[in-house]
Amino acid sequence: GAVVSQHPSRVICKSGTSVKIECRSLDFQATTMFWYRQFPKQSLMLMATSNEGSKATYEQGVEKDKFLINHASLTLSTLTVTSAHPEDSSFYICSARGELAAYEQYFGPGTRLTVT
Amino acid sequence: GQNIDQPTEMTATEGAIVQINCTYQTSGFNGLFWYQQHAGEAPTFLSYNVLDGLEEKGRFSSFLSRSKGYSYLLLKELQMKDSASYLCAAIDSNYQLIWGAGTKLIIKP
Repeated sequence: GAVVSQHPSRVICKSGTSVKIECRSLDFQATTMFWYRQFPKQSLMLMATSNEGSKATYEQGVEKDKFLINHASLTLSTLTVTSAHPEDSSFYICSARGELAAYEQYFGPGTRLTVT
Repeated sequence: GQNIDQPTEMTATEGAIVQINCTYQTSGFNGLFWYQQHAGEAPTFLSYNVLDGLEEKGRFSSFLSRSKGYSYLLLKELQMKDSASYLCAAIDSNYQLIWGAGTKLIIKP
C-alpha cells in the first residue's frame, strides 16, 4: 500500500513554456502533499506544502507565481512550472501524507525536468 | 534554528559494516527517518525511530538517542547495490521533515 505516482517521469521543454507535473496517491487519501526540488548532488529542498482544498504554503524563496500548486482532491496534486527557464531544470519529487500516519511521507518516483 | 548534520561521503568495502551518523537540532521532535536514494531516483523508506534504542531490520539497523540528538544507520554485509545516498530526516513539532544533506556511500569491491 501507500503508492504515489508522478507523471511525467521525464520532460524536456523550451524556455518560456509551462510544464505541469501530476502527483497521485493511488491507494490512500493524501490529506497533505509536499513538493520537493533536488539539484544534482544536493539534498531535497522543500518547495511547498499543500492541503486538499486550500492554498499551498510555500517555503521562503520559492516564487508562488512561478510554481503553481493545486491540490484539488485527496488523491491529486499538480505542480505547474510557469515560464520555465534553464535554471528550473531539476528533479522534482512529490510526497504524500495520509490520515493514518501523521508523520510518514510516501514519495513519488520523481520528475526530471530539463529546460532548453 | 533547525539543523541536521551527517557526513558528506563515506567509503566502505563489500561485505563489511558501515555506520552513518546523524545529529539533529529541531524545534520539537516527533521521530527520525532514514531514507536511501539511488542516483536519479526518489528516496525510499528505510527506518523510523521515535523511541531511544536500536531497531533492526535485516541488514539495516537504526539507532536513536533523543537526549543526545543523535542517530545512526548501521549497514551490515555490504553489497555493491548499497552504494547510494542515505538521507537522515527529523520530524519537528509541526510534523515537518527537516532533511540532512545526505551521505553518499561508496562501496568498493
